[in-house]
Amino acid sequence: DVKVTQSSRYLVKRTGEKVFLECVQDMDHENMFWYRQDPGLGLRLIYFSYDVKMKEKGDIPEGYSVSREKKERFSLILESASTNQTSMYLCASSFHQLTGLKVQYFGPGTRLTVT
Amino acid sequence: DQQVKQNSPSLSVQKGRISILNCDYTNSMFDYFLWYKKYPAEGPTFLISISSIKDKNEDGRFTVFLNKSAKHLSLHIVPSQPGDSAVYFCAAFYSGAGSYQLTFGKGTKLSVIP
Repeated sequence: DVKVTQSSRYLVKRTGEKVFLECVQDMDHENMFWYRQDPGLGLRLIYFSYDVKMKEKGDIPEGYSVSREKKERFSLILESASTNQTSMYLCASSFHQLTGLKVQYFGPGTRLTVT
Repeated sequence: DQQVKQNSPSLSVQKGRISILNCDYTNSMFDYFLWYKKYPAEGPTFLISISSIKDKNEDGRFTVFLNKSAKHLSLHIVPSQPGDSAVYFCAAFYSGAGSYQLTFGKGTKLSVIP
């Protein structure tokens, strides 16, 4: 079974704080993704990575950065948290092969509240 | 520009009846479509998919239909069960020229009434 874990289920941070969200997958997947989910807006891609130290911007990268130093770990960083970054953050991973690209496996999500 | 649209934010169905969730897309390059199911406080899980070369794929109580000419797909759940109550996301996939794109719709919240 594919397992994608996220470091925290719930997180409360203050405006201006630097926030780290960590994601680990145990299936040796090449690709990893960070999404945020907001009511009425669905899943929006923030960043993804297709290899160690590689990253690509998604649809809404502003205010975020990422780090992928090891294949199994993908971190999302909020450099200076703002209240409009209050959201559910979802990490996902998938194989690199074409057949694997289509299905992404998601972690349980981190509910981040910025006050 | 929203390339994958789920125009119904919510749907209520009686237990035992059919649930039909709809999804429309605009990009004719999409060649693979997926449905994900999401319970509150959990990540989405893959449910069923269909390739653009097919018009129907069935897996137990779940069937996905694809109408390429209308750029429309639907997920049928029959019979609906209370445990099916969740948010359902439609996703469309495209690959080519060394890049790929997976785009999600905004989701439809299905409530199955016991």
